Amino acid sequence: SAVISQKPSRDICQRGTSLTIQCQVDSQVTMMFWYRQQPGQSLTLIATANQGSEATYESGFVIDKFPISRPNLTFSTLTVSNMSPEDSSIYLCSVKGQRSTDTQYFGPGTRLTVL
Amino acid sequence: GENVEQHPSTLSVQEGDSAVIKCTYSDSASNYFPWYKQELGKRPQLIIDIRSNVGEKKDQRIAVTLNKTAKHFSLHITETQPEDSAVYFCAASLPISGNTGKLIFGQGTTLQVKP
Repeated sequence: SAVISQKPSRDICQRGTSLTIQCQVDSQVTMMFWYRQQPGQSLTLIATANQGSEATYESGFVIDKFPISRPNLTFSTLTVSNMSPEDSSIYLCSVKGQRSTDTQYFGPGTRLTVL
Repeated sequence: GENVEQHPSTLSVQEGDSAVIKCTYSDSASNYFPWYKQELGKRPQLIIDIRSNVGEKKDQRIAVTLNKTAKHFSLHITETQPEDSAVYFCAASLPISGNTGKLIFGQGTTLQVKP
């Protein structure tokens, strides 16, 4: 299984500012995803991070608000821009192999609070 | 796109009893159905999964059944223990081609096992 780390583990930010979350995997992986989990809720896919090209965003999420980078097969960043209290959530990085039936693993998450 | 419905939202059982969580999915092309367990403050962890060419899979006290005709799959936990208390999420994934193999999650079930 892949070992995934995220930085920071938690942060408290002021509204209007931006935060960049890093996801590092200990091995090369084909697919990387970013999810949001609001308190007491399920996991909502924000986007698929594509290596060397623009991320693929899900309905309701846009690049200006959640810019994503993926410079190589082991690293990705998610930026939460111009934050508001509604962005308070846990953000999780997730990885899997290239087959749809490959196991998908999750990082430990970043707990973001926006004041 | 794919939609996954999960029931019940909460489930309380006595230790030793069985627990059943049910999910339905909308896209008949979905071919992979994992179940994740998320303990408080932790990341989701895969506990069992099933592929569309299989009707049932067991792993000790945990089993999953799939009815492709009805687009329905269920998680069965027997001889429940207090450490089974957690939030359980079902998910569905479409084949990779054109869909990246991303997981779409159900709403989650909070399972409480009373000693």
